[in-house]
Amino acid sequence: EDKVVQSPLSLVVHEGDTVTLNCSYEVTNFRSLLWYKQEKKAPTFLFMLTSSGIEKKSGRLSSILDKKELFSILNITATQTGDSAVYLCAVGTQGAQKLVFGQGTRLTINP
Amino acid sequence: DAGVIQSPRHEVTEMGQEVTLRCKPISGHNSLFWYRQTMMRGLELLIYFNNNVPIDDSGMPEDRFSAKMPNASFSTLKIQPSEPRDSAVYFCASSYTGRNEAFFGQGTRLTVV
Repeated sequence: EDKVVQSPLSLVVHEGDTVTLNCSYEVTNFRSLLWYKQEKKAPTFLFMLTSSGIEKKSGRLSSILDKKELFSILNITATQTGDSAVYLCAVGTQGAQKLVFGQGTRLTINP
Repeated sequence: DAGVIQSPRHEVTEMGQEVTLRCKPISGHNSLFWYRQTMMRGLELLIYFNNNVPIDDSGMPEDRFSAKMPNASFSTLKIQPSEPRDSAVYFCASSYTGRNEAFFGQGTRLTVV
């Protein structure tokens, strides 16, 4: 059965800190790995990664994929209180279009 | 673009009643997904459609759940009869066929008492 595991499940840091969120996966026919941010309601799309070693970057957020070791990390530098959210990792497979989600990391940034 | 639109935003109903959740996908997207989110199980895919045709409904919990997509701009998820364990947030998402990045609606918070 396809599985996506995120760690840590919860993280509390101070504003300005740098955080690293982890996502490991076991799926058949891997196609892509996606990161979403979920605040109050809908998950919002952050990144999609398909190739190993190529960093995707958007402002203070960046992510990289390792297809050999089957994991991805999401880095957030100079964190702000607005970064507080649940970060979800999801994996898409070849053929089927559905996403398998991890349980999420709840990130809290304290001022 | 207005994004994926779901209604209602909140629904409180009594056990045994029929519940219908509605979704309008992003214009031009031809894949539509229904997810359910709970604290215990996280985000789970219930069913998805490509070009209005159901492709995979293996996540639908039981026969009480049904979903339709009569046209490219509208889908419904129906629960009949509803039970307290159906209480959850139900998300609709859409994407272009063949693309993994899906965009989510604001969700419907369903409470069955």
